[in-house]
Amino acid sequence: TQLLEQSPQFLSIQEGENLTVYCNSSSVFSSLQWYRQEPGEGPVLLVTVVTGGEVKKLKRLTFQFGDARKDSSLHITAAQPGDTGLYLCAGGRRGSQGNLIFGKGTKLSVKP
Amino acid sequence: NAGVTQTPKFQVLKTGQSMTLQCAQDMNHEYMSWYRQDPGMGLRLIHYSVGAGITDQGEVPNGYNVSRSTTEDFPLRLLSAAPSQTSVYFCASSYLAAFTDTQYFGPGTRLTVL
Repeated sequence: TQLLEQSPQFLSIQEGENLTVYCNSSSVFSSLQWYRQEPGEGPVLLVTVVTGGEVKKLKRLTFQFGDARKDSSLHITAAQPGDTGLYLCAGGRRGSQGNLIFGKGTKLSVKP
Repeated sequence: NAGVTQTPKFQVLKTGQSMTLQCAQDMNHEYMSWYRQDPGMGLRLIHYSVGAGITDQGEVPNGYNVSRSTTEDFPLRLLSAAPSQTSVYFCASSYLAAFTDTQYFGPGTRLTVL
């Protein structure tokens, strides 16, 4: 059962464009993390959000946790080729220790 | 610090062979875990450990064993390899077994079972 649905699955854009990636669930999560993974490497954490409605910014990346804590979005402003990679969202639940449920990911390609 | 290290980087096995994937971390993290990543499936949790001597099953544990005799090491054993275990395996660790903790991932082991 895939509890976290990410969309779109693939995204190819030109440098300078804006984009939004979505992570949706019918279940409530206590936390939502976003990771970026480059080919041949392990995922690297970008951000953790824990409060419904929370917005966090990391340079050109803006992350939002839905009010009901069932969904999240990642918005990239003026995308650059260095933003290319696989973006994964991962949900955590209180009491599940460190165990995370991952979405299938959005593969982003930013062309110069 | 080396962070999370995994060996080998690549491995090819024949059906029925056994092997151990090594994972070590030098950050004194209590929580360690193993995930497998398959195309179109995302990362799925195999086994995890919240401290030395404590292990538990994740979402897809069948065909795998783990042990945690020290804080640093968390090996994953394939008992009798099957083609369905062809995948990329990632080890991860975090300071605490908390749902908000940062997970640090190793570089992965790409396993092919023929």
